[in-house]
Amino acid sequence: DTEVTQTPKHLVMGMTNKKSLKCEQHMGHRAMYWYKQKAKKPPELMFVYSYEKLSINESVPSRFSPECPNSSLLNLHLHALQPEDSALYLCASSGAGELFFGEGSRLTVL
Amino acid sequence: RKEVEQDPGPFNVPEGATVAFNCTYSNSASQSFFWYRQDCRKEPKLLMSVYSSGNEDGRFTAQLNRASQYISLLIRDSKLSDSATYLCVVEGYTGGFKTIFGAGTRLFVKA
Repeated sequence: DTEVTQTPKHLVMGMTNKKSLKCEQHMGHRAMYWYKQKAKKPPELMFVYSYEKLSINESVPSRFSPECPNSSLLNLHLHALQPEDSALYLCASSGAGELFFGEGSRLTVL
Repeated sequence: RKEVEQDPGPFNVPEGATVAFNCTYSNSASQSFFWYRQDCRKEPKLLMSVYSSGNEDGRFTAQLNRASQYISLLIRDSKLSDSATYLCVVEGYTGGFKTIFGAGTRLFVKA
């Protein structure tokens, strides 16, 4: 069982919807990440939070908005997405190098 | 040039075979190196960290050559359960710690 919990596991949304992906970890890790993964491709880094502050934004479109309410939680707010944004969104945390991934939220944009 | 490049796959090998995966990275300031395994429709999981001195974990051996910016993974006595995608992962600091994944190499082990 993963120690990083992501909800929802599956999400279908229209291009005009607003939704959020949630991620939680209780390992005391101070770095948390959002990755996007398309089929048969590796995970692509989107955002990195370090000590609850955004440290890296890999030029992600503003229709994706991350939020780190506290050291255990990471959200990804979604608005006005495009069909090409359909993918598996993986949250991860790390304490000393190793990344621990959640099972991902599989997003379909219609 | 991609930051992390891996052997193209897929690798199709019989049970019991030895298979080697190679990976190169472009950022000489990279600090940490890993191999992850990802099963179909599952999240990536750490297989092993990679050190300059080399490290071994059962049937798996990882090597790092900093001078050549090259990482390898050797799997001996392949099992059916080794079938997965193997991801080379490099971590470095550029304004924040970034963990970059290679494209992955798909391994099929057949009976």
